[in-house]
Amino acid sequence: EVQLVESGGGLVQPGGSLRLSCAASGFTFSSYWMSWVRQAPGKGLEWVANINQDGSEKYFVDSVKGRFTISRDNAKNSLYLQMNSLRAEDTAVYYCARCPNSRYFDLWGRGTLVTVSS
Amino acid sequence: QLVLTQSPSASASLGASVKLTCTLSSGHSNYAIAWHQQQPEKGPRYLMKFNVDGSHTKGDGIPDRFSGSSSGAERYLTISSLQSEDEADYYCQTWGPGIWVFGGGTKLTVL
Repeated sequence: EVQLVESGGGLVQPGGSLRLSCAASGFTFSSYWMSWVRQAPGKGLEWVANINQDGSEKYFVDSVKGRFTISRDNAKNSLYLQMNSLRAEDTAVYYCARCPNSRYFDLWGRGTLVTVSS
Repeated sequence: QLVLTQSPSASASLGASVKLTCTLSSGHSNYAIAWHQQQPEKGPRYLMKFNVDGSHTKGDGIPDRFSGSSSGAERYLTISSLQSEDEADYYCQTWGPGIWVFGGGTKLTVL
């Protein structure tokens, strides 16, 4: 089955760190750009970060630049998001998404909730 | 600046058709977009990618009731024969050099 499964969310204090993971299956993971997209409670979708097939190109939304890092392990069919210096406004459900040709998102995971609160 | 604008809400009756609109910002009227559906309490689902030439690429299992069209800077998602499960948020999305953008979403209510 073609799917993406996120994990690693939870409650973290402001200023803390968290690492999200996304396990891909059912397709050739190493052939695709991959993405993280988030959704704050009651709000719309916001693109967070993209990474190309071999990890040599990475892009981030301005609000997370310098705090978040995206990486991947093609041998493990896994995508990661390292989140440092977390803020209350980072509270959201984080979705992993497949991004063919670095354009649109054609496969989504179910998301993992990150709550930043003291 | 690449921006997508959507009406916050729309409604239509069961069995009817509805046309949702997504407007591209000035200078970006030739951009392709994608449409995504998010049912209540679920993750997003890819519906289709729509190109300005009218060609499109649908996601797996997306019924023919969902179709795309465009006029100038506007992109449309038409849903015909509305069913209760079509009640959802609909997001348009586009991309540029190093940036990926979503519209604010339209909440569709099926009456």
